[in-house]
Amino acid sequence: AAGVIQSPRHLIKEKRETATLKCYPIPRHDTVYWYQQGPGQDPQFLISFYEKMQSDKGSIPDRFSAQQFSDYHSELNMSSLELGDSALYFCASRGGSSYNEQFFGPGTRLTVL
Amino acid sequence: DAKTTQPTSMDCAEGRAANLPCNHSTISGNEYVYWYRQIHSQGPQYIIHGLKNNETNEMASLIITEDRKSSTLILPHATLRDTAVYYCIVRVGYSGAGSYQLTFGKGTKLSVIP
Repeated sequence: AAGVIQSPRHLIKEKRETATLKCYPIPRHDTVYWYQQGPGQDPQFLISFYEKMQSDKGSIPDRFSAQQFSDYHSELNMSSLELGDSALYFCASRGGSSYNEQFFGPGTRLTVL
Repeated sequence: DAKTTQPTSMDCAEGRAANLPCNHSTISGNEYVYWYRQIHSQGPQYIIHGLKNNETNEMASLIITEDRKSSTLILPHATLRDTAVYYCIVRVGYSGAGSYQLTFGKGTKLSVIP
């Protein structure tokens, strides 16, 4: 079965650089979520989209922005990167017949040097 | 969403049942109990959810007390691959358009021992 795809899987950036993470949800899923998991931490909700519109915001810094495109893929844009942004970033999708479950991607590991 | 309390860690012998408790004494009538797990650095994985009746699927069973203030996730025959952090999450169930994001607490680190 198709799963959530995230790219890249690993990313290394310098402080103050920008990064773009991409997420391709499971086909026919209408909701996408982004979560951030710092070292030794639990996943924290950042932002979500339902039918290409932002549906909720969590603890997402103002330096971050995200959008969902017409093909339902989503991108998380991160600017002025800080050391503390080093984390695993998970995308999850929900919809179709499995609307009670969120299906998570493998994550993107971002390292800021 | 209601707050949950779980033990920090538990051990379980391989092949035995793993029983993971969760307290959610402030749960509201329209809130469900969801369980997810995260195997080291992988994306969290949905296990099971329930409202008030006990539930079973191919992965686990969920036992919810009659007053709904606590629940237990049961992995009937734990294997080494079940070693993970298990999260009990309480939130309203799906009822249409909306975000329904997950709020992860501390979870229980389950170690399955050979």
